[in-house]
Amino acid sequence: DTAVSQTPKYLVTQMGNDKSIKCEQNLGHDTMYWYKQDSKKFLKIMFSYNNKELIINETVPNRFSPKSPDKAHLNLHINSLELGDSAVYFCASSPSADNSPLHFGNGTRLTVT
Amino acid sequence: GENVEQHPSTLSVQEGDSAVIKCTYSDSASNYFPWYKQELGKRPQLIIDIRSNVGEKKDQRIAVTLNKTAKHFSLHITETQPEDSAVYFCAASRGGYQKVTFGTGTKLQVIP
Repeated sequence: DTAVSQTPKYLVTQMGNDKSIKCEQNLGHDTMYWYKQDSKKFLKIMFSYNNKELIINETVPNRFSPKSPDKAHLNLHINSLELGDSAVYFCASSPSADNSPLHFGNGTRLTVT
Repeated sequence: GENVEQHPSTLSVQEGDSAVIKCTYSDSASNYFPWYKQELGKRPQLIIDIRSNVGEKKDQRIAVTLNKTAKHFSLHITETQPEDSAVYFCAASRGGYQKVTFGTGTKLQVIP
């Protein structure tokens, strides 16, 4: 069983479109995250939710909107996609928001053309 | 905010040799230091972590050391094997709902 699963694995779309990535964890963790990994492999946090509440919101364009319907799910919706949004997006979870290991999903490779 | 610097960016070693990756952090309040390994095309996975009340931790061929005074920590891999080839990320966090800040990664290549 995949602990943190995200879909789709690949997403190819044109500039200006709107797309969503879904994430689910079955580990019973309280905290979930979205990370962006660019072409240089830098891992940067975008958002973090703890028990459905937003606790970290980095400097991310308003076009990115996370939603956590419950603590096992964290989705990411992106409006008006731009070329610079091309990256691998990783969902992750951790037992708590306080210094606990991250469990990453397999990533979604987003390509904007 | 926290700033984590990681060196070297690339590292090639012969199989069986040791590899050392070094990181420095800026926030003296950081107290949790995990290391993640990311194989090509895969997700990052935790390989070892250390907390600020411990100076060294070892798990088989992997060890991490922490120097709080100097604000640096290092990953040591002994008897390297080809399957150790990957990108390694250090990270630091001060806890209390604060974000984990990642280093820029080290691409380790183990030459058979």
